[in-house]
Amino acid sequence: NAGVTQTPKFQVLKTGQSMTLQCAQDMNHEYMSWYRQDPGMGLRLIHYSVGAGITDQGEVPNGYNVSRSTTEDFPLRLLSAAPSQTSVYFCASGWADSNQPQHFGDGTRLSIL
Amino acid sequence: SQQGEEDPQALSIQEGENATMNCSYKTSINNLQWYRQNSGRGLVHLILIRSNEREKHSGRLRVTLDTSKKSSSLLITASRAADTASYFCATGFLAGNKLTFGGGTRVLVKP
Repeated sequence: NAGVTQTPKFQVLKTGQSMTLQCAQDMNHEYMSWYRQDPGMGLRLIHYSVGAGITDQGEVPNGYNVSRSTTEDFPLRLLSAAPSQTSVYFCASGWADSNQPQHFGDGTRLSIL
Repeated sequence: SQQGEEDPQALSIQEGENATMNCSYKTSINNLQWYRQNSGRGLVHLILIRSNEREKHSGRLRVTLDTSKKSSSLLITASRAADTASYFCATGFLAGNKLTFGGGTRVLVKP
């Protein structure tokens, strides 16, 4: 079982470049989300989706866009990368029931120069 | 802002000892979850305790929840070197499946 798959695992960008972080899950989960984790800190929610065609902002959405055209995929777009976006990004999926755990990918380590 | 605050930030113990870490939160919750993160990996779900539960066990893990004090604790008994990881508490709310994470406790289990 693949679970939650994130690509790429590592990426270096220059300031101002754009890129898309990919996230796919094979568990038919309704709920998907993106978090960022900065050194020594917990995860902060960027954007989330409760189903195909539905997205909403989390705690730190600025500088990021998302879309959810299928149940399986939830890409995260950086439109114009900034050094403050250097972080480790995690995608997670789960059932819409809030009393269910979430399943995390292994992360994308992103450096913005 | 982070909902949960974890204590201690770091913990170093010998194999076989117990490890206890605490989590405090600020607002009403639907549940509280604990996750483990090994170095360079994603988070793995350990245990979920609902707001109407006071204690829960899973293998060598014991979680307590005190909603009056807005706090939870995670106890790992008879620790092993493989338990070396960061442990995060996360609070869940009635509206959807959004989680708010604490800053984590780094646990080092020395063989």
